[in-house]
Amino acid sequence: NAGVTQTPKFQVLKTGQSMTLQCAQDMNHNSMYWYRQDPGMGLRLIYYSASEGTTDKGEVPNGYNVSRLNKREFSLRLESAAPSQTSVYFCASSPRELAVETQYFGPGTRLLVL
Amino acid sequence: EDQVTQSPEALRLQEGESSSLNCSYTVSGLRGLFWYRQDPGKGPEFLFTLYSAGEEKEKERLKATLTKKESFLHITAPKPEDSATYLCAVQAAKTGNQFYFGTGTSLTVIP
Repeated sequence: NAGVTQTPKFQVLKTGQSMTLQCAQDMNHNSMYWYRQDPGMGLRLIYYSASEGTTDKGEVPNGYNVSRLNKREFSLRLESAAPSQTSVYFCASSPRELAVETQYFGPGTRLLVL
Repeated sequence: EDQVTQSPEALRLQEGESSSLNCSYTVSGLRGLFWYRQDPGKGPEFLFTLYSAGEEKEKERLKATLTKKESFLHITAPKPEDSATYLCAVQAAKTGNQFYFGTGTSLTVIP
């Protein structure tokens, strides 16, 4: 039982390049989330998916798109990377069985945009 | 505006020296408050969920408490392996899928 996995672990991009961050969970959770973590800012929600087939914007969605491919997988796409998107990206999932959701996080993807 | 503030930003303790971390929150209806531990270069690891004022939860040397305005993470007789950043987050009732995280407290326990 791997929990939440993310690929790649580390990526360097040039400004304007595109890439997709992959996330998968094997806990049969319904909800999935993408966060970014920057020094002094705390974790900020980019997008979330409450269930398969639905996605919604979080606090900082500009410059990103997401796809909930199936119940297990939730990807985050940067269409045209900018230096401001240099960050650590975390994927999380939660069961969405109760009103209070406990989130479980992946190991993160460290992205550097030059 | 919903927000979470953690204090102190950093804390250095001698091994065995007990202390508390604070998480103050303002949220329009609290659905849940969460504590996470984050080690350098890793993702946050879930510790506790607190649902209502007066609730307490314990795990080894850690004890989390909740009031209507803040939560405390008490660390009793810490060991060097407790060194990490501790994050607090709240889930608001009005925006059920939105979670607000504090910036964390970086704890260092010196042998």
